[in-house]
Amino acid sequence: DGGITQSPKYLFRKEGQNVTLSCEQNLNHDAMYWYRQDPGQGLRLIYYSQIVNDFQKGDIAEGYSVSREKKESFPLTVTSAQKNPTAFYLCATRTTGSSYEQYFGPGTRLTVT
Amino acid sequence: GENVEQHPSTLSVQEGDSAVIKCTYSDSASNYFPWYKQELGKRPQLIIDIRSNVGEKKDQRIAVTLNKTAKHFSLHITETQPEDSAVYFCAASRGTGFQKLVFGTGTRLLVSP
Repeated sequence: DGGITQSPKYLFRKEGQNVTLSCEQNLNHDAMYWYRQDPGQGLRLIYYSQIVNDFQKGDIAEGYSVSREKKESFPLTVTSAQKNPTAFYLCATRTTGSSYEQYFGPGTRLTVT
Repeated sequence: GENVEQHPSTLSVQEGDSAVIKCTYSDSASNYFPWYKQELGKRPQLIIDIRSNVGEKKDQRIAVTLNKTAKHFSLHITETQPEDSAVYFCAASRGTGFQKLVFGTGTRLLVSP
């Protein structure tokens, strides 16, 4: 299960607080992604980054922010502006070589009450 | 943008039976179609993928077929086993350059002994 780490596995926060989810990779992959997963739904793209210091909004970026200061790290901040933050958050990476496979981290389950 | 529909949402089979999950996509430019398996509380893991230059790919008990004209692709699992029980997601993307995967809503497969 090495390669991509997400911490913590479970996170609890009070409504109105910002929270940052960690994603670290040692695969030397250029592209990194954040997805949100809700029960009965597929994975939805929040943000993605192809190179350091560059990132783009995905389909559901409102209420989230990211940074990509290092190739290995792509933290996601869930802000108080996100109306329904409780979800399972998955980080993924992909090399920009000939392989198309995206590799997923173990995920962080965020609960906001 | 791309839209992926997946059916059925749940599928129950007896051990040893075959299971088929179907997906349709909307973007005719999509050329990469992966299938992911996700066990409860775990990360999605790639089980098989297909590119648009082939119509079928097989890996032991798992096969994927692609019909570009009809814009649909299917996952076939033969001789199902209880450990095949999981949620399966299809996805589609334009594989070249930046890869934005669009996921289906998932199929919960239950294999009964």
